[in-house]
Amino acid sequence: KAGVTQTPRYLIKTRGQQVTLSCSPISGHRSVSWYQQTPGQGLQFLFEYFSETQRNKGNFPGRFSGRQFSNSRSEMNVSTLELGDSALYLCASSLVGETDGYTFGSGTRLTVV
Amino acid sequence: AQSVAQPEDQVNVAEGNPLTVKCTYSVSGNPYLFWYVQYPNRGLQFLLKYITGDNLVKGSYGFEAEFNKSQTSFHLKKPSALVSDSALYFCAVRDPYQAGTALIFGKGTTLSVSS
Repeated sequence: KAGVTQTPRYLIKTRGQQVTLSCSPISGHRSVSWYQQTPGQGLQFLFEYFSETQRNKGNFPGRFSGRQFSNSRSEMNVSTLELGDSALYLCASSLVGETDGYTFGSGTRLTVV
Repeated sequence: AQSVAQPEDQVNVAEGNPLTVKCTYSVSGNPYLFWYVQYPNRGLQFLLKYITGDNLVKGSYGFEAEFNKSQTSFHLKKPSALVSDSALYFCAVRDPYQAGTALIFGKGTTLSVSS
């Protein structure tokens, strides 16, 4: 059974540019969550999508956005990149219930120069 | 608001010795609690979870965790550490009384097992 797939694995962008990251969840998983991981702040919740609807959102500026498609695949977009956006972006999928743990992808390492 | 604390940035143990990685939480009611492990340049891997029932939960790779409601703790343990257990460990909590709430993670504890 395929795991959570995130593309690309590595990305280098320049300040001011925008970027789109992709996440394909495990087949049958309808919930997709995104996290930003940095050495200083740890794992910070960005947003969660379920059935194409954003169900929950973390405390990030509006430059960070996402969406989910009918096949549960999700994308997140960061506009007007800043140096501080350099991080590992992790996607996780889960079944519907709150008791379910997440299955994480390997992440996308974004470097903003 | 729900929160998780991992009071130790790093835990050092010798191979073969027992290990404990500490976690305390703040959630109203009975929380859902999780432990994850992260190896370098990888995503997080699920180790175990506590939802309800027996306070001692067994998980992957010989790990277990004990839920203590009075101390609001969920410490991760292993009777005999392996060098291959060296990794970054995260405790996480979810409030079961609010549908759709996110899994909130602690800052992580680096476990270093020496041979």
